[in-house]
Amino acid sequence: DTAVSQTPKYLVTQMGNDKSIKCEQNLGHDTMYWYKQDSKKFLKIMFSYNNKELIINETVPNRFSPKSPDKAHLNLHINSLELGDSAVYFCASSQTSVSYEQYFGPGTRLTVT
Amino acid sequence: KQEVTQIPAALSVPEGENLVLNCSFTDSAIYNLQWFRQDPGKGLTSLLLIQSSQREQTSGRLNASLDKSSGRSTLYIAASQPGDSATYLCAVSLTGANNLFFGTGTRLTVIP
Repeated sequence: DTAVSQTPKYLVTQMGNDKSIKCEQNLGHDTMYWYKQDSKKFLKIMFSYNNKELIINETVPNRFSPKSPDKAHLNLHINSLELGDSAVYFCASSQTSVSYEQYFGPGTRLTVT
Repeated sequence: KQEVTQIPAALSVPEGENLVLNCSFTDSAIYNLQWFRQDPGKGLTSLLLIQSSQREQTSGRLNASLDKSSGRSTLYIAASQPGDSATYLCAVSLTGANNLFFGTGTRLTVIP
């Protein structure tokens, strides 16, 4: 019954590695998002996809590459991980890309050592 | 650039008290405002969504108001309960896009 799910829940890895976080929503929504919550608990948008197409990319390093194989999935791939990438990453979805309530996943806590 | 501020940063109240959380934003050209709660180590749960044309929304013991022209929103919680303890976040979306700008959050503790 989980509306927005993410895997894994925790991810610990070393600097320089490449890792992926997966997100799936079963709400039939058209739009999905990735947000980053830093150590000070501040949440910031990273990407937004509408019907598998990128519509927002907020000054995120190009080491981060989102991929949407279909509108129910939005995965986040991170290359050459750095210490500063340690954060909690949240996936979210909304019915469309304009003015609808967003539903969030449980988050993935990424720790880079 | 949109900036969202929440005051206070932390609040402790005894059980049963009514309380108000504040949110202010710098750019009044918002499309909607959403209130969330976040429990420690958990994701965000949507509480209320107010469209820019609305003045308030209610859900159970929660009431959110929006004054778009002054850049303010409040979340009123009636008869607080220990289960209300969490961090409350407000977020606004700008006209034409649904990416949310989040506030800094208010950490609420309701003391039994």
